[in-house]
Amino acid sequence: DIQVTQSPSSLSASVGDTVTITCRASQHISSYLNWYQQKPGKAPKLLIYAASSLQSGVPSRFRGSESGTDFTLTISSLQPEDFATYYCQHSYNIPPTFGQGTKVDVK
Amino acid sequence: QVHLVQSGAEVRKPGASVKVSCETSGYSFTNYALHWVRQAPGQRPEWMGWISAGNGNPGYSQKFQGRVTITRDTSASTDYMELSSLRSEDTAVYYCARGGSGSYYNLLFDYWGQGTLVTVSS
Repeated sequence: DIQVTQSPSSLSASVGDTVTITCRASQHISSYLNWYQQKPGKAPKLLIYAASSLQSGVPSRFRGSESGTDFTLTISSLQPEDFATYYCQHSYNIPPTFGQGTKVDVK
Repeated sequence: QVHLVQSGAEVRKPGASVKVSCETSGYSFTNYALHWVRQAPGQRPEWMGWISAGNGNPGYSQKFQGRVTITRDTSASTDYMELSSLRSEDTAVYYCARGGSGSYYNLLFDYWGQGTLVTVSS
């Protein structure tokens, strides 16, 4: 199975900050990398697909990028509603797997 | 508008089985894959299996092979996930999630059900 390793596991930030979360795949996955946001008691929500495409309805402060097997989610000008846990997920083959998550909380 | 609505919370004893439903609406049911993903408390989501678009064939994670069965009622636009031989480690929230459009995107999850908590306890 392809593993996706996410870092950091948690970070503290303030409203208005720019935060960066990274995900590294254990092998080449082309651009088959997606990002989700999850709030407590809710299902994950798709933010970014195919490494850098913004899902419909998601604010443009969320941006995805890639470099080889390294992928990055950047949230610019962090808003109060952005405090949540973020997961990366590869969709290259079966089984699709998730990173261990990054919890973004208030500094 | 796309909706996935799951059945309610369940409590089972170890060794029993549970069947969770996922009723869909707002899109062409057979044109999209539907996946089952579970999330144990404090853990990352974990893919269990799916029914593919088109032919509707099920596929399962090796981890759950032999214990999970995913079925489809096309007339009701509903999929079902049954997990047998339950143990305490199966306590989790179980989600259904729609696969993205087309073969390139069918292993990502663009719409999710609200989740079904399954508790396994003696």
